[in-house]
Amino acid sequence: GAVVSQHPSRVICKSGTSVKIECRSLDFQATTMFWYRQFPKKSLMLMATSNEGSKATYEQGVEKDKFLINHASLTLSTLTVTSAHPEDSSFYICSAPGPPRPYGYTFGSGTRLTVV
Amino acid sequence: GQNIDQPTEMTATEGAIVQINCTYQTSGFNGLFWYQQHAGEAPTFLSYNVLDGLEEKGRFSSFLSRSKGYSYLLLKELQMKDSASYLCAVRLDNYGQNFVFGPGTRLSVLP
Repeated sequence: GAVVSQHPSRVICKSGTSVKIECRSLDFQATTMFWYRQFPKKSLMLMATSNEGSKATYEQGVEKDKFLINHASLTLSTLTVTSAHPEDSSFYICSAPGPPRPYGYTFGSGTRLTVV
Repeated sequence: GQNIDQPTEMTATEGAIVQINCTYQTSGFNGLFWYQQHAGEAPTFLSYNVLDGLEEKGRFSSFLSRSKGYSYLLLKELQMKDSASYLCAVRLDNYGQNFVFGPGTRLSVLP
């Protein structure tokens, strides 16, 4: 079946540093990748949508300069959290419309970011 | 705007049956999905409904009424491993790229 590989699964970083999260579609082409953020005991909150070859679309209230998204190829999308602060600590998940259809999304395994 | 409602928490006993409800009011509708998510993990697909009626898949069944904007997930013969969050999600358009997730229901299965 379709797989989206997301890494790192866990990362701890110091305040002020940047962290890059990668999502790769392993056996299908993902022209679109969705990036979600999830706070403890809360549902998924869509942050942005990346499209291969064009600029990402950010949801209202999401700082595009803080959460840099790049969709370098049909199989790779990255989210970089710049100048991280403790309030950026969260669970980040990517997902792509992937086979088998019509079952919606194929999710990455998630990244637990802790900023200290 | 988009609105999806689910109960926040539910508790049930091992071996029992539980029904998790989801109501939605969205600008579009092209299918309703149920996902299971264990703490710290990514959601996994459970079921999909696009037409009214019941879809059965082993211990899990999902029902949809489009006229009522209502769905439920039915879990039978509950097991401890079913303790998780259950997310209801509506796909908004035909392109399959625009989803709205509900807040999720945390189910605790007790022995």
